[in-house]
Amino acid sequence: DIQMTQSPSSLSASVGDRVTITCRASQSIRNYLNWYQQKPGKAPKLLIYAASSLQSGVPSRFSGSGSGTDFTLTISSLQPEDFATYYCQQSYITPPWTFGHGTKVEIK
Amino acid sequence: QVQLVESGGGVVQPGRSLRLSCAASGFTFSNYGMNWVRQAPGKGLEWVALIWDDGSKKYYADSVKGRFTISRDNSKNTLYLQMNSLRADDTAVYYCVTMVTVTAVSWFDPWGQGTLVTVSS
Repeated sequence: DIQMTQSPSSLSASVGDRVTITCRASQSIRNYLNWYQQKPGKAPKLLIYAASSLQSGVPSRFSGSGSGTDFTLTISSLQPEDFATYYCQQSYITPPWTFGHGTKVEIK
Repeated sequence: QVQLVESGGGVVQPGRSLRLSCAASGFTFSNYGMNWVRQAPGKGLEWVALIWDDGSKKYYADSVKGRFTISRDNSKNTLYLQMNSLRADDTAVYYCVTMVTVTAVSWFDPWGQGTLVTVSS
């Protein structure tokens, strides 16, 4: 199975900060990488698919990049509603569809 | 609008069974593969099972293989998860999730609100 490693596991940031979360796959997954946002008590929500494609309705401050084994999710200017946990997911070698362990973005 | 509504969760004793349902609306259910994804309390996301749009193929996580069965009724726009021989580590919120596939790339969207399964004596 492909292992997905996210870093950091948590971070503290202020409104307006630029935030970068990284995700590394245990082997190449080309661009088969998705990002999800989950707020407490809520279901995950798709942000980015195929590494860099922004899901409809998602603010443009979110962006994704990377290919192969290394990927990043960037929030260009953190907003109060962005405090949440973010998960990456690979869909290249399946089953299983594996997720990273998550990155919790907290208020500084 | 697109909606997935899970039901059937609750408290069950170890070794017993439970069946989850997911009612889909607002999209052509029979055109999409469907998944169950779970999240143990305070933990991350774990994919559980997938069924193809026509029900012809099913895939399971190793942790549930042989105990859980995914199925669907396209005439009723409903997805199911039959869970047998439940264990304490099956305790989780179970999400019903649509899989979108475009030119071999797939992603999970949308997600239902989830239903909590608690396995405890």
